[in-house]
Amino acid sequence: ETGVTQTPRHLVMGMTNKKSLKCEQHLGHNAMYWYKQSAKKPLELMFVYNFKEQTENNSVPSRFSPECPNSSHLFLHLHTLQPEDSALYLCASSQERGTGGSPLHFGNGTRLTVT
Amino acid sequence: GQNIDQPTEMTATEGAIVQINCTYQTSGFNGLFWYQQHAGEAPTFLSYNVLDGLEEKGRFSSFLSRSKGYSYLLLKELQMKDSASYLCAVRDRNYQLIWGAGTKLIIKP
Repeated sequence: ETGVTQTPRHLVMGMTNKKSLKCEQHLGHNAMYWYKQSAKKPLELMFVYNFKEQTENNSVPSRFSPECPNSSHLFLHLHTLQPEDSALYLCASSQERGTGGSPLHFGNGTRLTVT
Repeated sequence: GQNIDQPTEMTATEGAIVQINCTYQTSGFNGLFWYQQHAGEAPTFLSYNVLDGLEEKGRFSSFLSRSKGYSYLLLKELQMKDSASYLCAVRDRNYQLIWGAGTKLIIKP
């Protein structure tokens, strides 16, 4: 399997639930990202890991907790979410954070619905 | 603040040519990207411009003018499969990617 794989594709959870999103990349990249995509809005960067170290946390509420055990895997742990957190959550990877023309490679995303 | 502007939606006819514009105001500039995103799928990389001018890649071309803060994506010989959203993103001086909200392109037969 190649590219960036995200599971699950769809997730419905109540506000009191705890769940985790998983991302795996098979591209040998060193940087991994979590983005939130809401309808008709620009992609919102949530977290960045470069060589397994978290380098950015863009004022994301603590109900979202990232984990990067190695350069190939990235998790997003969710707890006590709010309905406004419903969105498409995209994982991406790149060779290194911020290197020139190195593009991001995205997974297909997890469509999250909070009820 | 930093901002990327692109039209929300465009409609074009199969076989025709369409130009999707992107204007940006960012703190510095370290390259501009175009991505294609089909509904329910991952954004996929189309092109990268860092110097002024036109980059051609098959039916798709991307143009950049840094002095004008302007880029466009040109799609020729449109096919139905080109119906998608097209995302413009600029890397600023800190190598942060600033994203536009995307342009939804509808292709009609």
